Amino acid sequence: DAGITQSPRHKVTETGTPVTLRCHQTENHRYMYWYRQDPGHGLRLIHYSYGVKDTDKGEVSDGYSVSRSKTEDFLLTLESATSSQTSVYFCAISGTGPWGYTFGSGTRLTVV
Amino acid sequence: KQEVTQIPAALSVPEGENLVLNCSFTDSAIYNLQWFRQDPGKGLTSLLLIQSSQREQTSGRLNASLDKSSGRSTLYIAASQPGDSATYLCAVSFAGGTSYGKLTFGQGTILTVHP
Repeated sequence: DAGITQSPRHKVTETGTPVTLRCHQTENHRYMYWYRQDPGHGLRLIHYSYGVKDTDKGEVSDGYSVSRSKTEDFLLTLESATSSQTSVYFCAISGTGPWGYTFGSGTRLTVV
Repeated sequence: KQEVTQIPAALSVPEGENLVLNCSFTDSAIYNLQWFRQDPGKGLTSLLLIQSSQREQTSGRLNASLDKSSGRSTLYIAASQPGDSATYLCAVSFAGGTSYGKLTFGQGTILTVHP
């Protein structure tokens, strides 16, 4: 979507390897989020950021870490990928109130 | 636990019908409720956002209502078209604590509109 870009769009990786997904925004929004989407579970929040270097855990944060050194970039790292982390990962951004969201196009990650 | 539920899980209708998708949530203390559309293999597109103080929002053939006291929202689609076929997601930003705009999603309703 305009203003928010995720990379890569697709990735296949091996179990045990580290993986980093990138979210880049050009909207200067304060809030950024990482969600994963899985059949039967819907969208679940992994981590979120409420400013540069300010991050916190979401519902399913185990096995994931994040970093935000600049307003425009929010990185999601799978420290040691497992098959259970095979999923579609979405990044989202929002401004301060009324919390309207814009989602990226997603990254399809397969861990083999 | 704060949860969002959508009914029905799937809906198939003929073109031209008016239809209603339902969303319920467990806590009436919310900042807002949003409806999204997701096409297969794609990201989410925001359709309507209803603030906590509002009762409804309209955009074209779409109308979303919000009743906080009963913990319910409905998405009304008028004169449905095959192009409306998609998954519709309801998401709630619950108030309290350090919410920071975090959304809790329902499982979605898969809508199929056949010609």
